[in-house]
Amino acid sequence: AQSVTQPDIHITVSEGASLELRCNYSYGATPYLFWYVQSPGQGLQLLLKYFSGDTLVQGIKGFEAEFKRSQSSFNLRKPSVHWSDAAEYFCAVGAGNNDMRFGAGTRLTVKP
Amino acid sequence: NAGVTQTPKFRVLKTGQSMTLLCAQDMNHEYMYWYRQDPGMGLRLIHYSVGEGTTAKGEVPDGYNVSRLKKQNFLLGLESAAPSQTSVYFCASSYTAGPYGYTFGSGTRLTVV
Repeated sequence: AQSVTQPDIHITVSEGASLELRCNYSYGATPYLFWYVQSPGQGLQLLLKYFSGDTLVQGIKGFEAEFKRSQSSFNLRKPSVHWSDAAEYFCAVGAGNNDMRFGAGTRLTVKP
Repeated sequence: NAGVTQTPKFRVLKTGQSMTLLCAQDMNHEYMYWYRQDPGMGLRLIHYSVGEGTTAKGEVPDGYNVSRLKKQNFLLGLESAAPSQTSVYFCASSYTAGPYGYTFGSGTRLTVV
């Protein structure tokens, strides 16, 4: 089965600084890749997804992610972080088999 | 707002008690899922359904049962709650199993004492 690793449990960045959250996956073929964001007490909201085509995908709230097959990675980036971006971020990998696997999450803290 | 609605939002159970969590979606999605979220473990799939009247086991199905009698509803049951089932439970739905992502409910926080 596919699996996902998010190496960073917690990241702190200053408001206005750039952000990169790491995600590595394990799967034999090209998977479907997703990033979700979860604000406290809320469900997960889809930020962006990749399944084919251009390896740089744009999402909502100014986020983007790049699929790198050679590195089995799908890192999430944002050029300038806002205080409202503080949340937990989950990378997920799907194989079209109803078994989407989620990483353990990365908690983002934004310093003023 | 359209989406996925979970009830209740919070519940405290005693060990051995039973309860049912309700998930309702109004997007005409075929696929529905129940996940549990535990600290440091992300979300793990409990059961899922690919259509009305169908259910299947996910990664961590033991101690749970589900039913999908109507397309819009997906019920998760705990017959005899255990402290290990203390968790936050999320329901999600999707149009297909393909690359569309899921729509999640806001969760049910369950504590078993």
